[in-house]
Amino acid sequence: KAGVTQTPRYLIKTRGQQVTLSCSPISGHRSVSWYQQTPGQGLQFLFEYFSETQRNKGNFPGRFSGRQFSNSRSEMNVSTLELGDSALYLCASSLRPYRFEAFFGQGTRLTVV
Amino acid sequence: AQKVTQAQTEISVVEKEDVTLDCVYETRDTTYYLFWYKQPPSGELVFLIRRNSFDEQNEISGRYSWNFQKSTSSFNFTITASQVVDSAVYFCALSDENTGNQFYFGTGTSLTVIP
Repeated sequence: KAGVTQTPRYLIKTRGQQVTLSCSPISGHRSVSWYQQTPGQGLQFLFEYFSETQRNKGNFPGRFSGRQFSNSRSEMNVSTLELGDSALYLCASSLRPYRFEAFFGQGTRLTVV
Repeated sequence: AQKVTQAQTEISVVEKEDVTLDCVYETRDTTYYLFWYKQPPSGELVFLIRRNSFDEQNEISGRYSWNFQKSTSSFNFTITASQVVDSAVYFCALSDENTGNQFYFGTGTSLTVIP
């Protein structure tokens, strides 16, 4: 059974640009969550999608957005990149929200220069 | 508010020693779930265990064991006879009904097992 797939694995972008990250959850999983991991702030919740609906959003500016498609694949977008957006972005999938364990992908390492 | 505290930032042990990673949590909800994840250098968070708030039984899985105590709001993780492959950052996390699938993660404990 394939795990959670995140693409690309590494990205280098310039300040002011925008970026789109992709996450393919485990087959049959309908809940996808996104997290940002930085040395200073640790793991912080970005947002969660279930059945194409955003159910929950963390405390991030509107530059961070996401969506989920009918096949449960999800994308997150960051517009007008800032140096502070450099981080490891992790996607997690689970059968359904809340009480089920989440399985994480290997993440996308974004560097903003 | 929900909060997870992992007071141990870094731990080093010699191979074959036992090591316990501490986790203390805060939540007002009576129904919640606790998790442990391992993050090796590759970056992926590897699921280790999930525990619900109604099940205080300790659990053992091979060299791993978990001690859940609601009275002290703790969910500690012990590795017996540690091995070099156990070197990683370990995260404790909490989720509850009111926050959907949002995990509140601790700051992690970096474990180094010295051969």
